[in-house]
Amino acid sequence: KAGVTQTPRYLIKTRGQQVTLSCSPISGHRSVSWYQQTPGQGLQFLFEYFSETQRNKGNFPGRFSGRQFSNSRSEMNVSTLELGDSALYLCASSLGSDRGWSYEQYFGPGTRLTVT
Amino acid sequence: GQQVMQIPQYQHVQEGEDFTTYCNSSTTLSNIQWYKQRPGGHPVFLIQLVKSGEVKKQKRLTFQFGEAKKNSSLHITATQTTDVGTYFCAGPVTGGYNKLIFGAGTRLAVHP
Repeated sequence: KAGVTQTPRYLIKTRGQQVTLSCSPISGHRSVSWYQQTPGQGLQFLFEYFSETQRNKGNFPGRFSGRQFSNSRSEMNVSTLELGDSALYLCASSLGSDRGWSYEQYFGPGTRLTVT
Repeated sequence: GQQVMQIPQYQHVQEGEDFTTYCNSSTTLSNIQWYKQRPGGHPVFLIQLVKSGEVKKQKRLTFQFGEAKKNSSLHITATQTTDVGTYFCAGPVTGGYNKLIFGAGTRLAVHP
């Protein structure tokens, strides 16, 4: 079974630009979560989608948004990029999604975003 | 807010020595998960613990979930160079859906 794929793997943008990252979950997985990983803040939850609905959001500004398509593929968008947005953005998929529970997450290789 | 604390931050061991990382949550967890991230890689799921006092083993790795379901540990016996990486514990946020809160991780270095 193919794993989680993310594109692009690397991205360099300048401040003020916007960026769209893509994630294809494992076949059959309907939940997709996004995380930001930085050396200083560790792994921080961005949002989770299940059946095209965002059900969780982390403590990130509105510049961070996402969506999920009917085939469970997901995109994440960051507008008006800031230097502090430089990070590894990880997508994770899982089979299910229940309130107050967490299923095992399968992470993709991530997109390394550098903002200059 | 809900927090997951993990210690130590770093651990350097000689190959063959044992290693333990500890995880403490500020709230009772419905389950706890452990992940390993190799340098330059992405987190890889290791295990999920659900029951109070649960102990699970994977070859040289032993995972424990505390009786109060607020703490957990990962113990590696006789470390090998292949064990190098950062080990994260993570628990679901109360009321969230697949919303994990991660510990800061323990970076393990193994010297041959």
